Amino acid sequence: EAGVTQFPSHSVIEKGQTVTLRCDPISGHDNLYWYRRVMGKEIKFLLHFVKESKQDESGMPNNRFLAERTGGTYSTLKVQPAELEDSGVYFCAQPRGSGEQYFGPGTRLTVT
Amino acid sequence: GQQVMQIPQYQHVQEGEDFTTYCNSSTTLSNIQWYKQRPGGHPVFLIQLVKSGEVKKQKRLTFQFGEAKKNSSLHITATQTTDVGTYFCAGTDGAGSYQLTFGKGTKLSVIP
Repeated sequence: EAGVTQFPSHSVIEKGQTVTLRCDPISGHDNLYWYRRVMGKEIKFLLHFVKESKQDESGMPNNRFLAERTGGTYSTLKVQPAELEDSGVYFCAQPRGSGEQYFGPGTRLTVT
Repeated sequence: GQQVMQIPQYQHVQEGEDFTTYCNSSTTLSNIQWYKQRPGGHPVFLIQLVKSGEVKKQKRLTFQFGEAKKNSSLHITATQTTDVGTYFCAGTDGAGSYQLTFGKGTKLSVIP
Protein backbone atom coordinates (compact mmCIF):
# COMPACT_ATOMS: atom_id res chain seq x y z
CA GLU A 1 0.00 0.00 0.00
CA ALA A 2 1.41 3.41 -0.96
CA GLY A 3 2.04 5.83 1.86
CA VAL A 4 1.02 9.41 2.47
CA THR A 5 2.90 11.77 0.18
CA GLN A 6 3.38 15.50 0.38
CA PHE A 7 4.84 18.13 -1.88
CA PRO A 8 6.75 20.17 -2.20
CA SER A 9 9.24 18.79 0.28
CA HIS A 10 10.63 22.26 0.82
CA SER A 11 9.34 25.72 -0.07
CA VAL A 12 11.09 29.03 0.41
CA ILE A 13 8.97 32.12 -0.13
CA GLU A 14 9.06 35.77 0.78
CA LYS A 15 6.79 37.34 3.32
CA GLY A 16 3.52 38.33 1.67
CA GLN A 17 3.61 35.63 -0.98
CA THR A 18 1.24 32.72 -1.31
CA VAL A 19 2.12 29.06 -0.96
CA THR A 20 0.04 25.94 -1.44
CA LEU A 21 1.00 22.68 0.17
CA ARG A 22 -0.41 19.40 -1.02
CA CYS A 23 -1.05 16.09 0.66
CA ASP A 24 -1.93 12.90 -1.17
CA PRO A 25 -3.30 10.45 1.36
CA ILE A 26 -3.72 6.72 1.19
CA SER A 27 -6.78 6.08 -0.94
CA GLY A 28 -9.91 4.83 0.72
CA HIS A 29 -9.21 6.47 4.07
CA ASP A 30 -11.75 9.06 5.12
CA ASN A 31 -9.83 10.83 7.87
CA LEU A 32 -7.01 13.25 7.14
CA TYR A 33 -5.21 15.51 9.58
CA TRP A 34 -2.87 18.47 9.15
CA TYR A 35 -0.26 19.25 11.79
CA ARG A 36 2.51 21.82 11.98
CA ARG A 37 5.77 21.92 13.86
CA VAL A 38 7.32 25.32 14.34
CA MET A 39 11.05 25.18 15.06
CA GLY A 40 11.75 23.93 18.59
CA LYS A 41 8.12 23.61 19.53
CA GLU A 42 5.60 20.82 19.70
CA ILE A 43 3.73 19.37 16.77
CA LYS A 44 0.38 21.13 16.76
CA PHE A 45 -2.93 20.07 15.30
CA LEU A 46 -4.28 22.32 12.56
CA LEU A 47 -7.40 20.62 11.23
CA HIS A 48 -9.21 17.38 10.54
CA PHE A 49 -11.07 16.30 7.42
CA VAL A 50 -13.56 13.51 7.17
CA LYS A 51 -13.81 12.90 3.47
CA GLU A 52 -14.24 16.37 1.98
CA SER A 53 -15.73 17.96 5.09
CA LYS A 54 -13.83 19.89 7.75
CA GLN A 55 -14.61 18.06 10.96
CA ASP A 56 -12.51 20.30 13.18
CA GLU A 57 -10.49 23.32 12.18
CA SER A 58 -9.95 24.71 15.65
CA GLY A 59 -6.17 24.53 15.28
CA MET A 60 -5.94 26.79 12.25
CA PRO A 61 -3.88 29.82 13.32
CA ASN A 62 -5.88 32.50 11.49
CA ASN A 63 -7.79 33.23 8.30
CA ARG A 64 -4.61 33.37 6.24
CA PHE A 65 -4.76 29.58 6.20
CA LEU A 66 -7.23 27.80 3.95
CA ALA A 67 -7.49 24.04 3.66
CA GLU A 68 -9.48 22.04 1.16
CA ARG A 69 -9.94 18.41 0.33
CA THR A 70 -11.27 17.95 -3.13
CA GLY A 71 -13.70 15.07 -3.45
CA GLY A 72 -12.35 13.53 -0.31
CA THR A 73 -9.07 12.66 -2.00
CA TYR A 74 -5.99 14.90 -1.89
CA SER A 75 -5.86 17.94 0.34
CA THR A 76 -4.28 21.36 -0.02
CA LEU A 77 -3.28 23.91 2.57
CA LYS A 78 -2.86 27.44 1.28
CA VAL A 79 -1.18 30.22 3.19
CA GLN A 80 -1.97 33.69 1.87
CA PRO A 81 -0.24 35.99 2.57
CA ALA A 82 2.58 34.17 4.31
CA GLU A 83 4.18 35.68 7.41
CA LEU A 84 7.53 34.91 9.02
CA GLU A 85 5.90 33.01 11.89
CA ASP A 86 4.36 30.56 9.41
CA SER A 87 7.76 28.93 8.90
CA GLY A 88 7.86 25.34 10.04
CA VAL A 89 7.21 21.81 8.89
CA TYR A 90 3.68 20.94 7.82
CA PHE A 91 2.62 17.33 8.09
CA CYS A 92 -0.48 15.56 7.00
CA ALA A 93 -1.40 12.31 8.67
CA GLN A 94 -3.96 9.56 8.58
CA PRO A 95 -5.09 7.32 11.40
CA ARG A 96 -4.64 3.58 11.10
CA GLY A 97 -5.94 0.63 13.00
CA SER A 98 -6.63 1.64 16.57
CA GLY A 99 -5.75 5.29 16.12
CA GLU A 100 -2.02 5.54 15.50
CA GLN A 101 -1.27 8.20 12.92
CA TYR A 102 0.69 7.60 9.75
CA PHE A 103 2.53 10.80 8.88
CA GLY A 104 3.57 12.04 5.49
CA PRO A 105 7.15 13.21 4.94
CA GLY A 106 6.19 16.83 5.55
CA THR A 107 6.73 20.12 3.75
CA ARG A 108 9.34 22.44 5.22
CA LEU A 109 8.13 26.00 4.71
CA THR A 110 10.57 28.85 5.09
CA VAL A 111 9.23 32.39 4.93
CA THR A 112 11.92 35.04 4.55
CA GLY B 1 -7.50 22.80 26.54
CA GLN B 2 -5.44 19.69 26.92
CA GLN B 3 -1.71 20.22 27.39
CA VAL B 4 1.05 17.64 27.37
CA MET B 5 4.38 18.50 29.00
CA GLN B 6 7.47 16.51 28.11
CA ILE B 7 10.92 16.57 29.71
CA PRO B 8 13.76 16.82 29.22
CA GLN B 9 13.90 18.85 26.02
CA TYR B 10 17.39 17.57 25.20
CA GLN B 11 19.42 14.62 26.38
CA HIS B 12 22.99 13.75 25.49
CA VAL B 13 24.13 10.29 26.50
CA GLN B 14 27.17 8.15 25.95
CA GLU B 15 26.48 5.08 23.85
CA GLY B 16 25.50 2.28 26.19
CA GLU B 17 23.90 4.55 28.79
CA ASP B 18 20.20 4.50 29.52
CA PHE B 19 17.74 7.24 28.56
CA THR B 20 14.31 8.22 29.84
CA THR B 21 11.80 10.82 28.70
CA TYR B 22 8.70 11.75 30.67
CA CYS B 23 5.30 13.09 29.71
CA ASN B 24 2.64 14.61 31.87
CA SER B 25 -0.84 15.64 30.75
CA SER B 26 -3.02 18.32 32.29
CA THR B 27 -6.05 16.06 31.81
CA THR B 28 -6.78 12.35 31.89
CA LEU B 29 -5.94 10.75 28.58
CA SER B 30 -7.84 8.11 26.69
CA ASN B 31 -4.58 6.75 25.40
CA ILE B 32 -1.02 7.86 24.83
CA GLN B 33 1.13 7.26 21.79
CA TRP B 34 4.85 7.56 21.27
CA TYR B 35 6.54 8.63 18.06
CA LYS B 36 10.14 8.90 16.93
CA GLN B 37 11.34 11.48 14.45
CA ARG B 38 14.79 11.05 12.95
CA PRO B 39 16.64 14.21 11.88
CA GLY B 40 15.04 15.48 8.68
CA GLY B 41 12.32 12.85 8.88
CA HIS B 42 8.73 12.63 9.95
CA PRO B 43 7.16 11.21 13.11
CA VAL B 44 6.97 7.43 13.05
CA PHE B 45 4.59 5.61 15.34
CA LEU B 46 6.22 3.46 18.01
CA ILE B 47 3.48 2.30 20.35
CA GLN B 48 0.13 3.07 21.91
CA LEU B 49 -0.79 2.58 25.57
CA VAL B 50 -4.43 2.41 26.56
CA LYS B 51 -4.81 0.83 29.97
CA SER B 52 -4.09 2.39 33.34
CA GLY B 53 -0.69 1.21 34.61
CA GLU B 54 0.14 -0.47 31.30
CA VAL B 55 3.73 -1.39 30.55
CA LYS B 56 4.90 -2.45 27.10
CA LYS B 57 8.32 -3.42 25.84
CA GLN B 58 9.89 -3.32 22.42
CA LYS B 59 13.39 -4.78 22.63
CA ARG B 60 15.39 -2.13 24.52
CA LEU B 61 12.44 0.28 24.81
CA THR B 62 10.04 0.21 27.76
CA PHE B 63 6.87 2.30 27.75
CA GLN B 64 4.72 2.99 30.81
CA PHE B 65 1.32 4.58 31.27
CA GLY B 66 0.53 5.93 34.72
CA GLU B 67 -2.23 4.66 36.95
CA ALA B 68 -4.14 7.91 36.60
CA LYS B 69 -3.63 7.91 32.82
CA LYS B 70 -2.05 11.35 33.00
CA ASN B 71 1.63 10.51 32.70
CA SER B 72 3.84 8.25 30.68
CA SER B 73 7.49 7.45 30.19
CA LEU B 74 9.76 5.93 27.60
CA HIS B 75 12.96 4.27 28.78
CA ILE B 76 15.71 3.07 26.47
CA THR B 77 18.25 0.65 27.89
CA ALA B 78 21.83 0.71 26.60
CA THR B 79 21.37 3.36 23.93
CA GLN B 80 22.83 2.89 20.47
CA THR B 81 23.66 5.47 17.81
CA THR B 82 20.60 4.31 15.89
CA ASP B 83 18.43 5.64 18.73
CA VAL B 84 19.20 9.28 17.89
CA GLY B 85 16.21 11.43 17.09
CA THR B 86 13.37 13.25 18.79
CA TYR B 87 10.88 11.24 20.80
CA PHE B 88 7.37 12.62 21.13
CA CYS B 89 4.53 11.55 23.32
CA ALA B 90 1.04 12.36 22.11
CA GLY B 91 -2.28 11.92 23.83
CA THR B 92 -5.88 11.72 22.79
CA ASP B 93 -8.84 12.65 24.92
CA GLY B 94 -11.01 9.94 23.44
CA ALA B 95 -13.76 12.32 22.37
CA GLY B 96 -14.33 10.37 19.19
CA SER B 97 -11.41 11.94 17.37
CA TYR B 98 -7.95 10.70 16.51
CA GLN B 99 -6.58 14.21 17.06
CA LEU B 100 -3.28 14.09 18.90
CA THR B 101 -1.93 16.58 21.43
CA PHE B 102 1.84 16.35 21.34
CA GLY B 103 4.50 17.05 23.90
CA LYS B 104 7.44 19.20 22.78
CA GLY B 105 9.61 16.16 22.32
CA THR B 106 12.93 15.05 23.73
CA LYS B 107 15.86 15.25 21.36
CA LEU B 108 18.27 12.41 22.04
CA SER B 109 21.91 12.57 21.03
CA VAL B 110 24.08 9.50 21.46
CA ILE B 111 27.83 9.97 21.65
CA PRO B 112 29.69 6.97 20.22
